[in-house]
Amino acid sequence: GAGVSQSPSNKVTEKGKDVELRCDPISGHTALYWYRQSLGQGLEFLIYFQGNSAPDKSGLPSDRFSAERTGGSVSTLTIQRTQQEDSAVYLCASSLVGGGSGANVLTFGAGSRLTVL
Amino acid sequence: GDSVTQMEGPVTLSEEAFLTINCTYTATGYPSLFWYVQYPGEGLQLLLKATKADDKGSNKGFEATYRKETTSFHLEKGSVQVSDSAVYFCALRNSNYQLIWGAGTKLIIKP
Repeated sequence: GAGVSQSPSNKVTEKGKDVELRCDPISGHTALYWYRQSLGQGLEFLIYFQGNSAPDKSGLPSDRFSAERTGGSVSTLTIQRTQQEDSAVYLCASSLVGGGSGANVLTFGAGSRLTVL
Repeated sequence: GDSVTQMEGPVTLSEEAFLTINCTYTATGYPSLFWYVQYPGEGLQLLLKATKADDKGSNKGFEATYRKETTSFHLEKGSVQVSDSAVYFCALRNSNYQLIWGAGTKLIIKP
């Protein structure tokens, strides 16, 4: 698609429920990132996918968080047993990798705002 | 490890004032440097970038020069407008393709 698409744009859930957030990156972008942005805060790296390589999961805050990327395209971030501190905007970004002027420039989606009651 | 430090906000200026938002970095090798902007209610978007020392990135009247000797990439604009009000993020990409982000600086421009 023309841009990075994320869904849902807003999600309100009860503490303890599981949520899934979806990211559809730009076609042809091999790199995909998930970030978390809490109110008034900077970007917190969660996970990075690049092609068929093993993902960099070093930013996932706990084992309640997981992500997968099927077929090198769409990615799903899953948060199990949500807690109130999980409330944030979850941002997905994709990019080309390698040489060229457009490589490594991230295109962000509009984000999924998660509120855990 | 690699890091990016940018000035804390909020930065409040009057319209037509000169803007500087400082950004310094720590990284091995030769990282690429970026400024991203997040306008109210919108997603992050690239503002400008520089990939090697002494490069100057520019866009929408904003400029930043990659200074390896001072490990800096300060964002400047000669005359800000109310529409420039946003949060600005400095970032680097290191040789491992990791992106390291600053904490963001909120800019408020008053008419």
